[in-house]
Amino acid sequence: GAVVSQHPSWVICKSGTSVKIECRSLDFQATTMFWYRQFPKQSLMLMATSNEGSKATYEQGVEKDKFLINHASLTLSTLTVTSAHPEDSSFYICSALLGGATKYNEQFFGPGTRLTVL
Amino acid sequence: SQQGEEDPQALSIQEGENATMNCSYKTSINNLQWYRQNSGRGLVHLILIRSNEREKHSGRLRVTLDTSKKSSSLLITASRAADTASYFCAPPVGYNKLIFGAGTRLAVHP
Repeated sequence: GAVVSQHPSWVICKSGTSVKIECRSLDFQATTMFWYRQFPKQSLMLMATSNEGSKATYEQGVEKDKFLINHASLTLSTLTVTSAHPEDSSFYICSALLGGATKYNEQFFGPGTRLTVL
Repeated sequence: SQQGEEDPQALSIQEGENATMNCSYKTSINNLQWYRQNSGRGLVHLILIRSNEREKHSGRLRVTLDTSKKSSSLLITASRAADTASYFCAPPVGYNKLIFGAGTRLAVHP
């Protein structure tokens, strides 16, 4: 149980294009999901909290117009990197919160999406 | 923001040996989680220990929590080459957010 998937697992795009990454909780509902970014040999950096049916909450320094988040259902959150540039190349990982805000915050992570912007 | 600080940053051992990683944090918590990340992959949830628990076991994993010292440790017994990965502790920020530290890079040599 508590499986989270991401699609695609990797993507290569040209500079200036937009890329959408999907995060799905496969066997549970998640009102809250999170998006992280990880550069090589570095730790995960929390980008934003995605809440079903409401606007995402972005961490300081993360451009909300650059990284569009949509949490349209209890099992799906999407991250769109708009007008991608080479510096956006990174490993993007999502997680889903099991149990909601009233439980201990056990998060389950997706396998990640490697984005390369040429 | 609260984040766990893992120590050591890197650990290299032989198969069969035990590996101990430590985590320190700054503010009071009601639970702490440990995760593993294989190179280029997502994070795997290993164990969650609550603040009223002092020790928890899962297979070859043993996690301890000392809330008075604001520290936790992860012990992997009888390590295997497949245990080679980065390990992160994650004390929560508020109810839900996890802010990750640099992690411990464990290398287990056959």
